[in-house]
Amino acid sequence: EAQVTQNPRYLITVTGKKLTVTCSQNMNHEYMSWYRQDPGLGLRQIYYSMNVEVTDKGDVPEGYKVSRKEKRNFPLILESPSPNQTSLYFCASRSSSGANVLTFGAGSRLTVL
Amino acid sequence: QKEVEQNSGPLSVPEGAIASLNCTYSDRVSQSFFWYRQYSGKSPELIMSIYSNGDKEDGRFTAQLNKASQYVSLLIRDSQPSDSATYLCAVNSLYNQGGKLIFGQGTELSVKP
Repeated sequence: EAQVTQNPRYLITVTGKKLTVTCSQNMNHEYMSWYRQDPGLGLRQIYYSMNVEVTDKGDVPEGYKVSRKEKRNFPLILESPSPNQTSLYFCASRSSSGANVLTFGAGSRLTVL
Repeated sequence: QKEVEQNSGPLSVPEGAIASLNCTYSDRVSQSFFWYRQYSGKSPELIMSIYSNGDKEDGRFTAQLNKASQYVSLLIRDSQPSDSATYLCAVNSLYNQGGKLIFGQGTELSVKP
């Protein structure tokens, strides 16, 4: 089944404790992206990647890092999480050709205390 | 001005009625337009895409695009309680950050039995 898989789905952590949210897709998509979703603010792009070793900032990159060492994986790293990073996070991917349709992962709900 | 604007709602319609959801966008060179449905706590799922002016029908859903007015809408005929969700309008431009998808804040739809 074609899908985007995120882990963990739920996480409660404390300020300053580094964490990584993994994202993997099995559709051979070139483009991958991370979004956060907050009430009243909608979906905001954090980082995106056009292909392996090619990443760039989105609209709200502060406090996040990403890497794209393999085509299928695009982990989101919070080096020193803070309470304002409490949010619902979505990873998404699409092919660079064709209809430009994003496929989303199931989401990761992160709480930083 | 927000890049993609939607009325946040909630929009309440009785079962069997037509629900009309509207979206305006600011970037005139936008080329691809999408409607995603998102149930509470779940990931967005694509329900319609439209690329050229006019209407596109898929079952009970009709997307309408007017590029001159920078307006895209979604009609849901014979609305069902299972249609109750938040509907996200998304707009893409190939000239913007590798084809970034820009989302509106979403319109919450409630279909009353």
